Amino acid sequence: GDSVTQMEGPVTLSEEACLTINCTYTATGYPSLFWYVQYPGEGLQLLLKATKADDKGSNKGFEATYRKETTSFHLEKGSVQVSDSAVYFCALTYTGNQFYFGTGTSLTVIP
Amino acid sequence: ETGVTQSPTHLIKTRGQQVTLRCSSQSGHNTVSWYQQALGQGPQFIFQYYREEENGRGNFPPRFSGLQFPNYSSELNVNALELDDSALYLCASSLGAGGPGSEQFFGPGTRLTVL
Repeated sequence: GDSVTQMEGPVTLSEEACLTINCTYTATGYPSLFWYVQYPGEGLQLLLKATKADDKGSNKGFEATYRKETTSFHLEKGSVQVSDSAVYFCALTYTGNQFYFGTGTSLTVIP
Repeated sequence: ETGVTQSPTHLIKTRGQQVTLRCSSQSGHNTVSWYQQALGQGPQFIFQYYREEENGRGNFPPRFSGLQFPNYSSELNVNALELDDSALYLCASSLGAGGPGSEQFFGPGTRLTVL
């Protein structure tokens, strides 16, 4: 079946360090891929998305490229800030009604 | 523009009881989806309502049921509560029945604890 696998957390980085959170997916077709972020005590917020192979989604300094050949959608940021501390979820959907989420990766950025 | 709101924020019930959770969709959105997020896990899709009809269901038993009202707000009902139903329940709204790249907008969730 369709699923998303994220790297295990938690991840702790110093401010201005580089971030990569790995995400791979298993899909029977060609889904759209998303990264959502969840700050403490809040619901999920869309961070970025890509709808087809080789598309790059970007927002707030974060980027992810839809790689069909490696079935991956890794999240990257060149210089993290304390305010980036949150839980990050990779997700896929075909139709936009049912989303399949990974288990989430907790990121803590220390000053 | 009003975002997705959910009530109550927290709820404590005992095993065997029934619970109703409520969600108001974002202004202009006609579709509501419900997810269950267990502690330390990603959200799991329960079901979606589009124009007051169920429009897809995940792998949840029939004791999980829902409604959508003409104003597009929605309820999630869970009967015969079990300990494993303890979770954060998220509501998400969107415009239309879906499509590639469709985004869902999430509420803050209702934290349900079953004792």
